Amino acid sequence: QVQLQESGPGLVKPSQTLSLTCNVSGDSISSSDHYWSWIRQPAGKGLEWIGRIYTTGYTYYNPSLKSRLTMSVDTSKNQFSLKLSSVTAADTAVYYCAREERGSGWYFDYWGRGTLVTVSS
Amino acid sequence: QSVLTQPPSASGTPGQRVTISCSGSSSNIGTYTLNWYQQLPGTAPKLLIFNNNQRPSGVPDRFSGSKSGTSASLAISGLQSEDEADYYCAAWDDSLNGRVFGGGTRLTVL
Repeated sequence: QVQLQESGPGLVKPSQTLSLTCNVSGDSISSSDHYWSWIRQPAGKGLEWIGRIYTTGYTYYNPSLKSRLTMSVDTSKNQFSLKLSSVTAADTAVYYCAREERGSGWYFDYWGRGTLVTVSS
Repeated sequence: QSVLTQPPSASGTPGQRVTISCSGSSSNIGTYTLNWYQQLPGTAPKLLIFNNNQRPSGVPDRFSGSKSGTSASLAISGLQSEDEADYYCAAWDDSLNGRVFGGGTRLTVL
């Protein structure tokens, strides 16, 4: 069974870099049929797609975050990561990692439980 | 302002049929498949419908999806109290070269 688990600091100071890791079990992150994605959700608001990364390291980023965003994949640890620089209070949200399945069109079929990141001094 | 437009709320009584709309454009729904996600309170979203109208294993056939042109709909028949949740549509968007979500619809079972 595929499982994803986010990890990282729950509190980040303004202007610093938010770093999260998603550990994948039950599937190989080297799979050619999947992208590995990050989605976030501010409290009481909707879902916002952050970006996705392929096993080769090829990325797609949300244009609104692109200048501050870096995603990477570590196949040896079967995990992928997110770094968001120069954070502000607007980056406070629950961050989810998810697997994007090729299938019939691409869709998020497995999600992590989410991790709350608060940006505050 | 979300790229995909959903009504913020919907409601129905147990046993009723409810539909939730999702409106987009030629750069997203008009070109790509549409997916729906259900988010129960305090939990991560869950895939409900993929490829416009396909249900993953384990999703009851009370849930159905359809797409026409640049719009899509999620229908829930035989509404149950456990269907009370937020529902999101999502698609790829060529203009943004990324995935976009609708703003979400909160379904209340009266």
